[in-house]
Amino acid sequence: DIQMTQSPSSLSASVGDRVTITCRASQSISRYLNWYQQKPGKAPKLLIYAASSLQSGVPSRFSGSGSGTDFTLTISSLQPEDFATYYCQQSYSPPRTFGQGTKVEIK
Amino acid sequence: QLQLQESGPGLVKPSETLSLICTVSGDSISSSIHYWGWIRQPPGKGLEWIGSIHHSGSTYYNPSLKSRVTISVDTSKSQFSLKLNSVTAADTALYYCARDYYGSGTYYQAFDYWGQGTLVTVSS
Repeated sequence: DIQMTQSPSSLSASVGDRVTITCRASQSISRYLNWYQQKPGKAPKLLIYAASSLQSGVPSRFSGSGSGTDFTLTISSLQPEDFATYYCQQSYSPPRTFGQGTKVEIK
Repeated sequence: QLQLQESGPGLVKPSETLSLICTVSGDSISSSIHYWGWIRQPPGKGLEWIGSIHHSGSTYYNPSLKSRVTISVDTSKSQFSLKLNSVTAADTALYYCARDYYGSGTYYQAFDYWGQGTLVTVSS
């Protein structure tokens, strides 16, 4: 199985901050990397697919980059509604695997 | 607008079979090129993919659960279902169904629409 490792596991940030979350795959996954946002009590929401493509309806302050084994999710200016847990997920080969999650909290 | 809704018992006894159904509306399972999947999340923990199915009946499962999982599809009802047998307390989780989007010839393969999830507790 391809292991996905996110860092940090949690972070505290203020509204307006630039936030970066990293995801590393245990082997090359090309650009088969997705990012999800999950708020408490809600299903995950797809933010970014294919490493850097913004899902329809997702604000442009979210962006993704990377290929191979190293990927980044960036929130350019953190908004109150962005406090949530973020997961990366690879779709290069089954089984589909997720990172352990990064919880973004209010400082 | 595509919508998915999970249904099934919220309590299952140890060693018995967990059975859930996902009803799809707003898209036709039988005409879609996409797969349809199940993902679970134990309370307070991360996400685990269980398996996915195509309307043709083609399936692929997480090897860690494969010996206990069956996913099937009923295109006439626009539903797909999950059966997980020999459950233990470790199977207690929020179970989600989702569309497993398959972008042929692209890097776009993701869970793009999700149900709201249903909590299944394994307890006697």
